Amino acid sequence: EVQLVESGGGLVQPGGSLRLSCAASGFIFSDYYLDWVRQAPGKGLEWLGRTRNKANNYTTQYAASVKGRFTISRDDLKNSMSLQMNSLKSEDTAVYYCSCYSYASGKDWGWGQGTLVTVSS
Amino acid sequence: DIQMTQSPSSVSASVGDRVTITCRASQDIRRWLGWYQQKPGKAPKVLIYDASSLQSGVPSRFSGSGSGTDFTLTISSLQPEDFATYFCQQADTLPLTFGGGTKVEIK
Repeated sequence: EVQLVESGGGLVQPGGSLRLSCAASGFIFSDYYLDWVRQAPGKGLEWLGRTRNKANNYTTQYAASVKGRFTISRDDLKNSMSLQMNSLKSEDTAVYYCSCYSYASGKDWGWGQGTLVTVSS
Repeated sequence: DIQMTQSPSSVSASVGDRVTITCRASQDIRRWLGWYQQKPGKAPKVLIYDASSLQSGVPSRFSGSGSGTDFTLTISSLQPEDFATYFCQQADTLPLTFGGGTKVEIK
């Protein structure tokens, strides 16, 4: 069973930094694309960025709203992904989810339980 | 960006009813569509991936169909635990985008 568990959320001041982690199990990690998505209070879901799989050279891509401030990295030996968030703003307050996708037939997708980030002074 | 248009935005139904939710993409997304269930204060739960594949552990009363631009989620016999919000998500092209959600309420 695909499992993703986020950690690292908390309260941070505007302009500060935070690093979120996503621990994965139950699937061949290196085969999967991994994404971060967030949901602000009472709002819809917003895609933040992706790290592609080993076959696609682990390339990354980001949403315009976070490009230059957020960095995604992955460690296939540890089956984990992280999101480094810098220069945080109040509008970054949200629940952050990691998710995973396989573009091969018959492979479950995955979605974590989320971790809350609050940016406030 | 690919726009995902979901309908209806809400539906009132009774236990045992058949419920159908549709999702339309603004361009061809092949079969790269997922359906999710979300309950208040909880994370989304994957129900269907690749448009029609049932996620492991999800009851068989959930099914998905479609390809290209038009997709459907069907709950064959609504159960009490199914009252929730459902949304679609395309994974064909970045940025990943999501439907506006369908709230399934008790009639």
